Amino acid sequence: GAGVSQSPRYKVAKRGQDVALRCDPISGHVSLFWYQQALGQGPEFLTYFQNEAQLDKSGLPSDRFFAERPEGSVSTLKIQRTQQEDSAVYLCASTTQGAGGTDTQYFGPGTRLTVL
Amino acid sequence: QQQVKQSPQSLIVQKGGISIINCAYENTAFDYFPWYQQFPGKGPALLIAIRPDVSEKKEGRFTISFNKSAKQFSLHIMDSQPGDSATYFCAANQGGKLIFGQGTELSVKP
Repeated sequence: GAGVSQSPRYKVAKRGQDVALRCDPISGHVSLFWYQQALGQGPEFLTYFQNEAQLDKSGLPSDRFFAERPEGSVSTLKIQRTQQEDSAVYLCASTTQGAGGTDTQYFGPGTRLTVL
Repeated sequence: QQQVKQSPQSLIVQKGGISIINCAYENTAFDYFPWYQQFPGKGPALLIAIRPDVSEKKEGRFTISFNKSAKQFSLHIMDSQPGDSATYFCAANQGGKLIFGQGTELSVKP
């Protein structure tokens, strides 16, 4: 079956531009997570959803970052007024169970964002 | 602060050898410890995982050893193969979100 898909795979933005990154989780998966992976580092948690509810956004680095999952399936991570320090790979993961458990997180391939 | 510390940063092993990657954590509330494997341009994929009430888990060539009192755990890859060359991340679960180590880049030489 299809795994987690993300689009675009690569995004180049000029500093100050707004970007939107899309995540399509595995069909039927309840929980969805966003992580940021800087070059040569491990992924860092940004936020997660259980269905359409955003239960934890403690990892969002600033109020320029915003995520939504309005219908409990596809999610969009939006970054406003991008800065060079936002350059990273943004990973999405989904799980079958509600967030808060130890269910396996299945990751997408990521979107590599480069801010010039 | 780094909640999960991973070492070494890079590792070179000969084909057929044993690869060992170590992780340490501070937060005793962590309740699940997965290891992920990541190839260039791909997302991390679950390799093997353990809960803190178990001291060892083995799946094929991959073994996790867990020392709860020392708050340390390690991944052992037996009979390492060139196809195992990838970046490995340990992680700890905190309320459903994963806290990752910094990663170990493993290179297995033929």
